[in-house]
Amino acid sequence: NAGVTQTPKFRILKIGQSMTLQCAQDMNHNYMYWYRQDPGMGLKLIYYSVGAGITDKGEVPNGYNVSRSTTEDFPLRLELAAPSQTSVYFCASSQDRATGYTFGSGTRLTVV
Amino acid sequence: GDSVTQMEGPVTLSEEAFLTINCTYTATGYPSLFWYVQYPGEGLQLLLKATKADDKGSNKGFEATYRKETTSFHLEKGSVQVSDSAVYFCALTPRGSQGNLIFGKGTKLSVKP
Repeated sequence: NAGVTQTPKFRILKIGQSMTLQCAQDMNHNYMYWYRQDPGMGLKLIYYSVGAGITDKGEVPNGYNVSRSTTEDFPLRLELAAPSQTSVYFCASSQDRATGYTFGSGTRLTVV
Repeated sequence: GDSVTQMEGPVTLSEEAFLTINCTYTATGYPSLFWYVQYPGEGLQLLLKATKADDKGSNKGFEATYRKETTSFHLEKGSVQVSDSAVYFCALTPRGSQGNLIFGKGTKLSVKP
């Protein structure tokens, strides 16, 4: 019963490098989300998807891109990493709008 | 826009003390309300929820009641344990949204033996 799986758990990037944060869920959820968590600031929505082939911007999308080619996978792409992207990133999924999320365990990213 | 305000932390309590973490919200219509808990080094876990006015969510001894008249969803527990030490987040899903959660900033709870 894997739930939501995120990889990697930790990563250090140099300024200007790119990387993809992976997220997969095995619950057949249509809704998937990416959040970033900064100390004392709660969680901010980066991108979300309501189904395969459909994505939309959240509150803080700049510097990120996503794709949703399958129901299971929702990768987050960072292009040209900047120190402001140092954060903990959480992927989540849900069955519908009122059910509540299942979160992954997070990716801690440091950009130096 | 919609928002969630939580009491500032950290909150430090002795074991078996009564816990209240205040949460108020601003939203149009009737949002769904949630409490999530984050243990050190882990992702967030859904603790409880309420989807309409006067609903009471409960789980693991925690309770919260959806109060439309005061736009509040305060978290309570009658007797905390050391294992309840975590960060607690209040959140809402606006009506008509795509399920996007809007979070408060979180309240860190430390319970001492």
